[in-house]
Amino acid sequence: SAVISQKPSRDICQRGTSLTIQCQVDSQVTMMFWYRQQPGQSLTLIATANQGSEATYESGFVIDKFPISRPNLTFSTLTVSNMSPEDSSIYLCSVASSTGANVLTFGAGSRLTVL
Amino acid sequence: GIQVEQSPPDLILQEGANSTLRCNFSDSVNNLQWFHQNPWGQLINLFYIPSGTKQNGRLSATTVATERYSLLYISSSQTTDSGVYFCAVGGYNFGNEKLTFGTGTRLTIIP
Repeated sequence: SAVISQKPSRDICQRGTSLTIQCQVDSQVTMMFWYRQQPGQSLTLIATANQGSEATYESGFVIDKFPISRPNLTFSTLTVSNMSPEDSSIYLCSVASSTGANVLTFGAGSRLTVL
Repeated sequence: GIQVEQSPPDLILQEGANSTLRCNFSDSVNNLQWFHQNPWGQLINLFYIPSGTKQNGRLSATTVATERYSLLYISSSQTTDSGVYFCAVGGYNFGNEKLTFGTGTRLTIIP
């Protein structure tokens, strides 16, 4: 399965600032997924990032708040904009396997705390 | 959208005990995966099991797609099994390529 590196692993941010999370994969993948996990909760899909096209956002998530870039088949970024304490979460990048079945592999996550 | 409920929400067991975790889903699926999130937050894929039964060491899983549920069995529990277990589903009706995660079961194994 793919190996995913996420940066930063954790950060403490001030209200009103923005932070960009990077996701690097060791192989080319078609689709990358960004999930959010709020404290004590399950995972919620933010958006699907395809190379060469705009990301597809899930209900409740908008591009102005969570802009995503996908410049090539091994890299993506998620920006959390104008952060508030409610944005304190773990943000996870994942990719589907290239074997046909959409088996997901996850990065270690980026734990953000907004003060 | 699809609803994915897991039970029990919390489970505390002595080391060596066996457990069964359940995942119910409200729509037809063609993709079902079980994950373990360790106490450090890392998610590990345990099984890809849209139907049938699979085993991997002390863990096994069964999905009965026609009845819309899946079970994860853990035998002879070890402290390293502690964490949160999620099932996640995908299907033609709601996006085969993306997964909807269940509510999770938090498992604590006591030495």
